[in-house]
Amino acid sequence: AQTVTQSQPEMSVQEAETVTLSCTYDTSESDYYLFWYKQPPSRQMILVIRQEAYKQQNATENRFSVNFQKAAKSFSLKISDSQLGDAAMYFCAVHQGGSEKLVFGKGTKLTVNP
Amino acid sequence: DAGVTQSPTHLIKTRGQQVTLRCSPKSGHDTVSWYQQALGQGPQFIFQYYEEEERQRGNFPDRFSGHQFPNYSSELNVNALLLGDSALYLCASSLNKQGLYNEQFFGPGTRLTVL
Repeated sequence: AQTVTQSQPEMSVQEAETVTLSCTYDTSESDYYLFWYKQPPSRQMILVIRQEAYKQQNATENRFSVNFQKAAKSFSLKISDSQLGDAAMYFCAVHQGGSEKLVFGKGTKLTVNP
Repeated sequence: DAGVTQSPTHLIKTRGQQVTLRCSPKSGHDTVSWYQQALGQGPQFIFQYYEEEERQRGNFPDRFSGHQFPNYSSELNVNALLLGDSALYLCASSLNKQGLYNEQFFGPGTRLTVL
């Protein structure tokens, strides 16, 4: 069974600083996708960034980047130049090839201090 | 371009009652997935509907059932409600196409409280 572990229930960062959120996962498949979702108080899940497991290059989306370590099954999210609007719950998720479901971690609550 | 919509926004029920939640997928999407997100937890997959049939199901009892209509909208039904069914119910839609992954777009959710 797939599992996703986010070991940091809460994190905080000063505005304009950089923060890294951790995620480890377990899957028996070789083909899968990894995701980071943001869930603000409005509750809507917003896709932040996606990584295909077969790609060695780490994904980047503006201020958001990942450090994907396939052998270690680690997938961390780095947020650079943090903004007040980045404050939210962040969920790491894995999608296994051949399945239709996303498996989520328990989330990390990010606070951005002005 | 309308995104995923869900109704109602909030719902309060008592134990033993039945509830129906509704979801309209993003324009152009044909597949709907449902997730349950308990307080302080990540979403858990309930099931997915495609071509009006349940394509895959998570570890949820038969009290949880669903339906997909010809216009691709979907309903989630929960019978004999338990206190533990209190959660945010998220709907996600996607377009079924060949490939490893079809990106899921989430709605704002329905907050269900069971008293």
